[in-house]
Amino acid sequence: SQQGEEDPQALSIQEGENATMNCSYKTSINNLQWYRQNSGRGLVHLILIRSNEREKHSGRLRVTLDTSKKSSSLLITASRAADTASYFCATGIQGAQKLVFGQGTRLTINP
Amino acid sequence: GAVVSQHPSRVICKSGTSVKIECRSLDFQATTMFWYRQFPKQSLMLMATSNEGSKATYEQGVEKDKFLINHASLTLSTLTVTSAHPEDSSFYICSASRAGGVSETQYFGPGTRLLVL
Repeated sequence: SQQGEEDPQALSIQEGENATMNCSYKTSINNLQWYRQNSGRGLVHLILIRSNEREKHSGRLRVTLDTSKKSSSLLITASRAADTASYFCATGIQGAQKLVFGQGTRLTINP
Repeated sequence: GAVVSQHPSRVICKSGTSVKIECRSLDFQATTMFWYRQFPKQSLMLMATSNEGSKATYEQGVEKDKFLINHASLTLSTLTVTSAHPEDSSFYICSASRAGGVSETQYFGPGTRLLVL
């Protein structure tokens, strides 16, 4: 079963606004990763945050991790139409090679 | 770097036939490859993890005799859907990990859309 639960399931905003997506998980993790998927395509790795990190930035992306609450958030600032995609969090479980993906957030940026 | 390809991108087959999907890491050696299945508007479901030269580890509920996985080299893994049926129609995505270590970043192929008639 999928460990991650993402919120919201769908988000529609105007271009230029910020988009925030949240992810919660249940077990202990090594890291948490965020991926993007354009419709009908493979996934693109966006950012990885390790369990001992609290915040990470990459361009217009900001990721936070709160291990005490078992949650993470992805913030996309100054959104663009090209950011329209599904975004998935994935947790790297301690002692396992695999990632467990959340249900995803479908983000739509309206021009 | 870290490009993963899949072939074919789309395949339509008749019920009862077998279909092979290839996953290649083009510019790096992948000690571990993963196979996922994704239904429309849903998340990825891990089917199996394969390490080069050893048998794949299947997730619970995935039939290993139906979904044959071979990871013969550090750059190639194949998934064969045997005796495919309409319910096997789905989007199959592979990914590859460089290090084979614990929960490293995975690099995804573009996916293969399978339609079984």
